[in-house]
Amino acid sequence: NAGVTQTPKFRVLKTGQSMTLLCAQDMNHEYMYWYRQDPGMGLRLIHYSVGEGTTAKGEVPDGYNVSRLKKQNFLLGLESAAPSQTSVYFCASSYSVLGTGNQPQHFGDGTRLSIL
Amino acid sequence: GEDVEQSLFLSVREGDSSVINCTYTDSSSTYLYWYKQEPGAGLQLLTYIFSNMDMKQDQRLTVLLNKKDKHLSLRIADTQTGDSAIYFCAESTTNNNDMRFGAGTRLTVKP
Repeated sequence: NAGVTQTPKFRVLKTGQSMTLLCAQDMNHEYMYWYRQDPGMGLRLIHYSVGEGTTAKGEVPDGYNVSRLKKQNFLLGLESAAPSQTSVYFCASSYSVLGTGNQPQHFGDGTRLSIL
Repeated sequence: GEDVEQSLFLSVREGDSSVINCTYTDSSSTYLYWYKQEPGAGLQLLTYIFSNMDMKQDQRLTVLLNKKDKHLSLRIADTQTGDSAIYFCAESTTNNNDMRFGAGTRLTVKP
């Protein structure tokens, strides 16, 4: 009963390096989301997807790209990492938009990313 | 933009009641949520309330909504050490794809 799985769990990058964070869900959810969590700021939406092959910008999309080639996977890419992107990244999925009402968002355990 | 605010810390003794407060600014908020985050884990939905409700109770959890004052609270009865976590308030509207989170309240339960 995996739910939402994020890989890797931890990563340290140097400024300018690129990397991809992977999110996989096995619940056949249509909607998937990437958030970042910073101290004292709660979660902020980076990008989201309302279905396979679709992506859209959230509140803080700059410096990130995403792809949803398969329904179960949602990838978050950093093309040229910057220290300001040091954060904990959470992926979530839901059956309906935003998990409204009794269709909640299911979260992964997070990826802790440090940019030196 | 629209904001969700909550105090950052709350400390209670085991067996007492905990009350975590949240205020929001978007008058068109449709759903309001409480999530719990334990160390090293993602967010887990605890409960939610629709904006036309004043109160919702679920076992030890009671959610109160004052829509006029845009104030949401979560009361945990008989607080246990296992309730120690960060609690996030969040709100959303039906017409957009954004959910706004507060910064989280770190609840510490002392034995």
